[in-house]
Amino acid sequence: QVQLQPSGPGLVRPSQALSLTCAISGDSVSSDSAAWNWIRQSPSRGLEWLGRTFYRSKWFSDYAPSLKSRITINPDTSKNQFSLHLNSVTPDDTAVYYCVREGTGSKGYYGMDVWGQGTTVTVSS
Amino acid sequence: DIQMTQSPSSLSASVGDKVTVTCRASQDISHYLAWFQQKPGEAPKSLVYAASTLQSGAPSRFSGGGSGTDFTLTITNLQPEDSATYYCQQYTRYPYTFGQGTKLEI
Repeated sequence: QVQLQPSGPGLVRPSQALSLTCAISGDSVSSDSAAWNWIRQSPSRGLEWLGRTFYRSKWFSDYAPSLKSRITINPDTSKNQFSLHLNSVTPDDTAVYYCVREGTGSKGYYGMDVWGQGTTVTVSS
Repeated sequence: DIQMTQSPSSLSASVGDKVTVTCRASQDISHYLAWFQQKPGEAPKSLVYAASTLQSGAPSRFSGGGSGTDFTLTITNLQPEDSATYYCQQYTRYPYTFGQGTKLEI
């Protein structure tokens, strides 16, 4: 059974960087049939896809254009996890952050089938 | 970005009823549409992908349909545990985008 466990600070100061990690159990971050996403949810923005990373002979990352200058999503194969790094945060980045597995690859597409528990991040001084 | 618009924003129904939630995309997304169920305090849960494919483990009373720009999620024989907010999501083009949600009260 695949499980995702996010971790990271719950409070970040404005203009600082937000960093979260998502530990994977039951699957591999290097899987050729999965992509690893970050999605956030807030009352003002609803559900918002931030980006993803995946391995297909080499590593790829895709990001929401609105965040492209501030966001990095990286895999960590030694710890079987992936991370989210968001620079220059503002109170508008306050949200519940989810890490999500997307089943996709040469064998087909299976949707965003595994979600980690949400982790609340508040941006405030 | 592709805009996803759901209707209604909320609805109330009774146990045993059949309800349909509609999702409209601002442009043709073929069949690249997913549905999720979210209960308060929980992460969303996948119900349907590829517009009409039921996710493994999802109850068979849920069904999806449509293609192009207009899609539906139908729930038959409503159960008390179906009380939740339902979201559609397109994944044909970045950024993936979600509808604003439909809150179902049983």
